[in-house]
Amino acid sequence: DGGITQSPKYLFRKEGQNVTLSCEQNLNHDAMYWYRQDPGQGLRLIYYSQIVNDFQKGDIAEGYSVSREKKESFPLTVTSAQKNPTAFYLCASSSRVSATNEKLFFGSGTQLSVL
Amino acid sequence: GEDVEQSLFLSVREGDSSVINCTYTDSSSTYLYWYKQEPGAGLQLLTYIFSNMDMKQDQRLTVLLNKKDKHLSLRIADTQTGDSAIYFCAERSYNTDKLIFGTGTRLQVFP
Repeated sequence: DGGITQSPKYLFRKEGQNVTLSCEQNLNHDAMYWYRQDPGQGLRLIYYSQIVNDFQKGDIAEGYSVSREKKESFPLTVTSAQKNPTAFYLCASSSRVSATNEKLFFGSGTQLSVL
Repeated sequence: GEDVEQSLFLSVREGDSSVINCTYTDSSSTYLYWYKQEPGAGLQLLTYIFSNMDMKQDQRLTVLLNKKDKHLSLRIADTQTGDSAIYFCAERSYNTDKLIFGTGTRLQVFP
């Protein structure tokens, strides 16, 4: 079945530690996104990538880093510079055939907590 | 900048209709979307409407768009307990090519 897979489901970070969240898709989508979700807030865009080997900062990129070495994969690293990392992280992808009507497909999310 | 607002909570009785409202500020919106998020899961696209349309119906879902007032609504007919979730509206800005999400409305359906 085609889809987008995030792992792990739950992740704990110690102070000063970098952690990496995995996102893999087999939908053959060009574009991939990382969002952060906090309770009572909308989704905020961290980073996005429209094509392999290229990515752009979203609205809240500070303290995060990404790579896009393969079309299928878009891992997110939460660095020690991110002082408030506890949140639900969502990865999404889209085909962007029509940029004005872009339908996102989401993974099931990773809940990151600080120990 | 663009802003999308929703009320945080809605509670309805099973079998009644639910109406979830959304307001946005971007006058260059092209498409507007409704996504559903069940507990501990990602978002799932429910429906969308192009900005030159007033209404779109899809089974139990009816989307109404008032472009003049920048108001979008999602009506769920015959609401079931399985409809309990958080519903996000989102708008695609033509000017910025960004997808802007609202804060989400938590719908609770009680028997």
